Formats: sequence, structure tokens, C-alpha cells
Amino acid sequence: DGGITQSPKYLFRKEGQNVTLSCEQNLNHDAMYWYRQDPGQGLRLIYYSQIVNDFQKGDIAEGYSVSREKKESFPLTVTSAQKNPTAFYLCASSARQRQQTNYGYTFGSGTRLTVV
Amino acid sequence: EDQVTQSPEALRLQEGESSSLNCSYTVSGLRGLFWYRQDPGKGPEFLFTLYSAGEEKEKERLKATLTKKESFLHITAPKPEDSATYLCAVQGPGGYNKLIFGAGTRLAVHP
Repeated sequence: DGGITQSPKYLFRKEGQNVTLSCEQNLNHDAMYWYRQDPGQGLRLIYYSQIVNDFQKGDIAEGYSVSREKKESFPLTVTSAQKNPTAFYLCASSARQRQQTNYGYTFGSGTRLTVV
Repeated sequence: EDQVTQSPEALRLQEGESSSLNCSYTVSGLRGLFWYRQDPGKGPEFLFTLYSAGEEKEKERLKATLTKKESFLHITAPKPEDSATYLCAVQGPGGYNKLIFGAGTRLAVHP
């Protein structure tokens, strides 16, 4: 079955530590996204990538970094510069605009990051 | 600025008590409005896409409608398993498939 796999499901970060969240998709989607979800707030876009080897900052990119070396993979690194990283992180993918299906995005199951 | 506002923030219903969730939006050139269901600790799951005012989509006890300024998600005779957070998102005319999300409505259906 096609889908998006995020790992780990739970992640704990110590102060000053960088951590990397994994996101892999086998949907053959060109575009991939990282969102952050906090209680009572809508999903906020961190980074997105429309094609391999290219990515753009979203609305809250400070303290985060990404790479897109393969079409299937879009890992997110939460750096020590992110002062409030505790949140639920969601990865999503979508087909290119011309190939747009009617699903918008397909989401992964999320990673809950907690600072300890 | 493109914006999505959902109301109410939380809704508690008795089983069988029908109601509606609202999604108000401002976007220049709507390309699509999406409804998702999100269970606790999980990623959102796709429910509906609406493209133009007057359009309606149905799935089991859910019906989504769209006007030029808002969308409603009607829940008829809800069951406890309909309890979840319902997210609304809009897609504008941007060069990529950016979705702008509302904060969601937390629905609790009690037996």
C-alpha cells in the first residue's frame, strides 16, 4: 500500500541537541511538506519541497533544516536554535500541480517531539 | 492575507444530535477547500474536496457544502466513533500546492 511513513513516533530531545525526524513516501509524489501542530493552533508550515534537491522555507522555518536528496525522503532536523520544539510534527506529500488529485495532501502519522 | 477560521473550537453532542461545523475563509482565487478528520495522536485523513460555490459532497453521516465565504460540515445523527478533530484547509492560486489550515473543531459525541 502507498503511503507516508514517519519515524520515530515519539522523540525526546535534550537541551542543545539536534534531532532528525524521518519522512518517507512511496506515492511517487513530487512535493513534500513539514508542518508543526500545537494545541489550539492550525498546522503551520515549516518547509516544503516541490522537487528533488530544492526546498523552500515556510512560515516558521527558524531553528529547522531539511534536505531533499531523494524523491521519497524529506527528513527534518530540529536544531538547538529552535527554542520551543515541543510539538507534534506532521509530514505530508502531494502530486504536482498539473497532476493534482482531489486529496490535497496525504499525511503521515506524525512524530511527537518533547524536550526533556 | 489568506486566512481560515473554524468554529466552534469544541463541540459536544449527544449521539443522534445533528449539528454543523463552520469554516470561514478569505483567499484570493480559491482552488479548493479540503476537510480532514484527525484522531488524537494521528495524522489527518482526507474527507472531502470542494471546488466551487454550491458544491456538496457526502460520505456516510457527513455532508460538506461550500459558499463563496464559508464551508459547512454537517453531521447527521452522529455516533461516538465520529468523535475527532475536523480540520478545514484552503488552497489558493499560489505556484505550489500550499494549503492554509484552520485550527480545527474538536467534536465529542457521547452515547
